[in-house]
Amino acid sequence: SQTIHQWPATLVQPVGSPLSLECTVEGTSNPNLYWYRQAAGRGLQLLFYSIGIDQISSEVPQNLSASRPQDRQFILSSKKLLLSDSGFYLCAWSLTETQYFGPGTRLLVL
Amino acid sequence: GIQVEQSPPDLILQEGANSTLRCNFSDSVNNLQWFHQNPWGQLINLFYIPSGTKQNGRLSATTVATERYSLLYISSSQTTDSGVYFCAVGLSGGYNKLIFGAGTRLAVHP
Repeated sequence: SQTIHQWPATLVQPVGSPLSLECTVEGTSNPNLYWYRQAAGRGLQLLFYSIGIDQISSEVPQNLSASRPQDRQFILSSKKLLLSDSGFYLCAWSLTETQYFGPGTRLLVL
Repeated sequence: GIQVEQSPPDLILQEGANSTLRCNFSDSVNNLQWFHQNPWGQLINLFYIPSGTKQNGRLSATTVATERYSLLYISSSQTTDSGVYFCAVGLSGGYNKLIFGAGTRLAVHP
């Protein structure tokens, strides 16, 4: 069966520090991968999606970037965090229409 | 872009009660999914239902694509049903990108 992992689970970072969040999927090949952000009490906003290795599309202009160095690995990064980057970051995968979400990373930027 | 509106925004029920959650969308879609986010943040896919009716235990969903709405029914609610219910839609040719509504926050009291 397929599983999706995210780490770290929680993170507290100072403004201006770098960021690296990792997502890995097991048990499937060539999945579509997605990064979403959820602000407190809000819905999910799609940040990036990927249909293959090194194929990344950005949905929202911001100081975040994404990379997919391996088929089942998706990384979200920032060189300098802003206060507004705080939120709950969720990774998801799909082969068809249905998307499956990871447990998420709670990021607090102080 | 496409708009997704969910109602009601908040709902409080006594255990055993029934409820109906609504999702309206502003354009034709080829993908509609309902998710449940538990109090720990985990998103679980409930239904993939771009049209028609599906049932899974105490939950059922109906989408009337021609009238651009979907309904999620919860019968005999339990405290474990508490959380936030999201509707998400996707457009054709969109690499399965989903646009989420703001959610309905459900609290079921014993």
